Amino acid sequence: DIQMTQSPSTLSASVGDRVTITCRTSQSINTFLNWYQQKPGKAPKLLIYAAFSLQTGVPSRFSGSGSGTEFTLTISGLQPEDFATYYCQQTYNTPVFGGGTKVEI
Amino acid sequence: EVQLVETGGGLIQPGGSLRLSCVVSGFTVSSKYMTWVRQAPGKGLEWVSLIYSGGATDYTDSVKGRFTISRDISKNTLYLQMNSLRAQDTAVYYCARGGGLTWYSDYWGQGTLVVVSS
Repeated sequence: DIQMTQSPSTLSASVGDRVTITCRTSQSINTFLNWYQQKPGKAPKLLIYAAFSLQTGVPSRFSGSGSGTEFTLTISGLQPEDFATYYCQQTYNTPVFGGGTKVEI
Repeated sequence: EVQLVETGGGLIQPGGSLRLSCVVSGFTVSSKYMTWVRQAPGKGLEWVSLIYSGGATDYTDSVKGRFTISRDISKNTLYLQMNSLRAQDTAVYYCARGGGLTWYSDYWGQGTLVVVSS
């Protein structure tokens, strides 16, 4: 099975900050990597698919990069509504989610 | 408009069975890759099961042999039959529509809570 390592698990930031979340996989997954945002009590929301493609309706301050085994989600100019938990997911084979990154004030 | 609505959660004793339903609208359940994802209280997301449009299925190791994913085209509904439930199965269960080149999940239901406890 492919192992996922997402870091950091918690990130303290302020409005306007640029934040980066990293996801590493135990073997190459090409660009079969998706990013989701989840707020408390809500279902996850798709942000980025195929490592760097922005889902329709998602603000352009969100961006994704990487391929192979290392991927990043960047939020350029953190907004109050961005404080949430973020998950990466590999779908190269049996889907697996990363452990999550909580972005807090 | 695409919508997914899960029902069927509740309190069940260990060893019991429960069937979750996910009624979809705005698309045909058999036309898309569909998944179940769960989230234990205070924990992260865990993929549980999937069914491809062609009908092939897959499960995470911890539920293999106990859970069965299926769909009813006439009711446009996705199901998750859960047998031999354990305390560790306690979670909010989400159904999600997937697809695209990287099998992402673009629409999700609101979730239904399953509590396995005596």
